[in-house]
Amino acid sequence: DVVLTQTPPTLSATIGQSVSISCRSSQSLLDSDGDTYLNWLLQRPGHSPQLLIYSVSNLESGVPNRFSGSGSETDFTLQISGVGAEDLGVYYCMQATHAPLTFGSGTKLEIK
Amino acid sequence: VQLVESGGGLVQPGKSLKLSCSASGFTFSSYDMHWIRQAPGKGLDWVAYISSSSGTVYADAVKGRFTISRDNTKSTLYLQLNSLKSEDTAIYYCARSVTTDYWGQGVMVTVSS
Repeated sequence: DVVLTQTPPTLSATIGQSVSISCRSSQSLLDSDGDTYLNWLLQRPGHSPQLLIYSVSNLESGVPNRFSGSGSETDFTLQISGVGAEDLGVYYCMQATHAPLTFGSGTKLEIK
Repeated sequence: VQLVESGGGLVQPGKSLKLSCSASGFTFSSYDMHWIRQAPGKGLDWVAYISSSSGTVYADAVKGRFTISRDNTKSTLYLQLNSLKSEDTAIYYCARSVTTDYWGQGVMVTVSS
């Protein structure tokens, strides 16, 4: 199975600060169809996960554009440009290129 | 789009439970679906997948014990959980599509004597 390694495990930020989360894959996530199925999810406290970014860098509808994703092959980054109070929670990367679907261990974002 | 899970509860080890995920707001029959679980205080763990044409795939931890199915006439996804173990205790979520673009609110399954 593909192992996704997320860092850091926790992140503490002030409102307005920019932060980034890394997700590294144990193998390339470039699919034979040319797409890279690496997504980012946010799970707010007490809620189910929600999709933020799909296929590395595509913003899901309704997600603020302070969120952005980048990367390729095995190395990916989620950036939040100006953290808001509503951004606290646990961020997960997830890959759907190789079966089975796997998730990173999560990065908990706390607001100082 | 709405996904609503039901059927969870407290069950003894070795017993069975059937979860449902009722879908609305989209053409259910056209979408692949997943079951994903989250043990208390832990991360996300994929459980099972069913394609729009009803092909299925399972995590090794549940293979032979759990069965995913769908009823497109009822826009409902199911997960039959048999031979339950304490380590199956988790919130179970259904999620739409290969990329999990929509998730339900989850349903708690507790396996304990």
